[in-house]
Amino acid sequence: AQSVSQHNHHVILSEAASLELGCNYSYGGTVNLFWYVQYPGQHLQLLLKYFSGDPLVKGIKGFEAEFIKSKFSFNLRKPSVQWSDTAEYFCAVNSDNFNKFYFGSGTKLNVKP
Amino acid sequence: KAGVTQTPRYLIKTRGQQVTLSCSPISGHRSVSWYQQTPGQGLQFLFEYFSETQRNKGNFPGRFSGRQFSNSRSEMNVSTLELGDSALYLCASSSDNSGNTIYFGEGSWLTVV
Repeated sequence: AQSVSQHNHHVILSEAASLELGCNYSYGGTVNLFWYVQYPGQHLQLLLKYFSGDPLVKGIKGFEAEFIKSKFSFNLRKPSVQWSDTAEYFCAVNSDNFNKFYFGSGTKLNVKP
Repeated sequence: KAGVTQTPRYLIKTRGQQVTLSCSPISGHRSVSWYQQTPGQGLQFLFEYFSETQRNKGNFPGRFSGRQFSNSRSEMNVSTLELGDSALYLCASSSDNSGNTIYFGEGSWLTVV
């Protein structure tokens, strides 16, 4: 079975700091990769996704992620975080062309104003 | 376009009882999947339905079951509730079942006492 690892469970940053959240998955074949975000009191929302092509994908709110196939990684980045980025971030993988997604355990980001 | 709607939002049940949760997908979406979210286990896939057929099933006991109706609405049922079933149950819908993006509802919070 697949697994998804998010190395940082809780990250605290000050506004304007740069962000990088790690995500690694265990599957050797073709994968679709996603980052979802859950703001306080809200439902999970898609941040960005990678299916194929340019391994650097851009999402909403200035987030981007880079797919590195050799490292089985899909790290999320943002050059300068804002207080409104405080949320929990989930990495997800889908590999079998069905809607069975494997999620990481999530990273709680707390941005101090 | 209305999002994924889940009912009820909150419920409390007693051990041994059964519960039915409902999900209305985004209009036009034919795939509905269910996830259990707990602090310890994160998001875990329960099952997915597409055009009234269960396409995928996660590693949950047979007490967890679901179905999908011809209008794509879905229900999940948990029988003989246990304390460990306390969780947020999330429904997600997609336009197809090819591993494309899934869109989440706000979830149903189940507390088993």
